[in-house]
Amino acid sequence: AQSVSQHNHHVILSEAASLELGCNYSYGGTVNLFWYVQYPGQHLQLLLKYFSGDPLVKGIKGFEAEFIKSKFSFNLRKPSVQWSDTAEYFCAVNAEQAGTALIFGKGTTLSVSS
Amino acid sequence: ETGVTQSPTHLIKTRGQQVTLRCSSQSGHNTVSWYQQALGQGPQFIFQYYREEENGRGNFPPRFSGLQFPNYSSELNVNALELDDSALYLCASSLAKFNYGYTFGSGTRLTVV
Repeated sequence: AQSVSQHNHHVILSEAASLELGCNYSYGGTVNLFWYVQYPGQHLQLLLKYFSGDPLVKGIKGFEAEFIKSKFSFNLRKPSVQWSDTAEYFCAVNAEQAGTALIFGKGTTLSVSS
Repeated sequence: ETGVTQSPTHLIKTRGQQVTLRCSSQSGHNTVSWYQQALGQGPQFIFQYYREEENGRGNFPPRFSGLQFPNYSSELNVNALELDDSALYLCASSLAKFNYGYTFGSGTRLTVV
């Protein structure tokens, strides 16, 4: 079945550690890619998105993601995490085959200790 | 920007009942989508409305229905509630049908007992 997979369910890091969260999708053709973040008690917020062009996209709060078409991946990275990055992170894909829907992964919970 | 507001924030219903959830889109946004987020899962697409017409639908039964009004606010109706309908229901609005700068609301937590 076509899907979006996030490899890590729960990631625990210390402040200043580097972060990489994996995301793979199984849709062919044209895709639009997104990372959303949900801080405790808050609504989903867009971190960054990729539609076309430079496969390395920069988002808010120092996050970036790289689209690797051959690997069907869109991994999220941050060089140095902060305690305030503690949140749930969702990868989402819009594919031509899926129409207007955003297909979300199951999410990764990031816990950062100070 | 007023953001997306949803009401109510929490709701408890009995199996078999019907429920209506409401969403006010961000100012200027003409497209609204509804998602269901079960505990421990990512949001799942229910349907999308663009200028008062359904513009796409996910894998949900017909007892999930919706409306979009001329002011672009929206309702999600669920009939014959089942225990598995317990979830967080999210509304998201965007500026145009294929513009994916979605703004999400905080959701309505529905519990079916």
